[in-house]
Amino acid sequence: QVQLVESGGGVVQPGGSLTLTCAASGFRFSSSGMYWVRQAPGKGLEWVAFIRYDGGSQNYANSVRGRFTVSRDDSKNTLFLQMNSLRVEDTAVYYCGKDLMGGPDYWGQGTLVTVSS
Amino acid sequence: DAVLTQSPLSLPVTLGQPASISCKSSQSLVHSDGNTYLNWFQQRPGQSPRRLIYKISNRDSGVPDRFSASGSGTDFTLKISRVEAEDVGVYYCMQGTHWPRTFGQGTKLEIK
Repeated sequence: QVQLVESGGGVVQPGGSLTLTCAASGFRFSSSGMYWVRQAPGKGLEWVAFIRYDGGSQNYANSVRGRFTVSRDDSKNTLFLQMNSLRVEDTAVYYCGKDLMGGPDYWGQGTLVTVSS
Repeated sequence: DAVLTQSPLSLPVTLGQPASISCKSSQSLVHSDGNTYLNWFQQRPGQSPRRLIYKISNRDSGVPDRFSASGSGTDFTLKISRVEAEDVGVYYCMQGTHWPRTFGQGTKLEIK
């Protein structure tokens, strides 16, 4: 069965950096595009980033472009989100998702990132 | 950006009664490949989102057939034929046609 497990969240000061990891299993990871989606406390869903199945292209939300980098290691079935220059407004639960037909058909349980001084 | 506007934002429903949620896009969601990548998600309290519908009207595996969806171009609808207690949560539409991907604001369904 498909499993996505995020890790790496925590508390970081404004301006700091953090790298999130999503460990994937139960499907052909190297054939799947992957998403990062976040949800601020008590708020709705916000798409953050997408990486194509072959890593050949990445897309970012305007709010994170230039600060966040999505990457993947197909040899380890792992997705990453490198987050730099973090802001208070980046505080959220971050979910990874597997793409199928234009949207995430499976989601992880999420990892909480808190940006606070 | 394709702005998705959902209505209503709050939806009190009596058990066993139908429910309907609208999602309107600021631009057509028809992709150059001819498909319309409009998704619907359910997020139950304290849980991760779960996709219900992809490409306007296709149910994901395991989704009860009381959930149906329709629409075209810029106007889309999710319907629940008979609401059950387990349907409580927030429902989101999301478009997968244009970059950046965007979500609607969410519709909170509660039992009246």
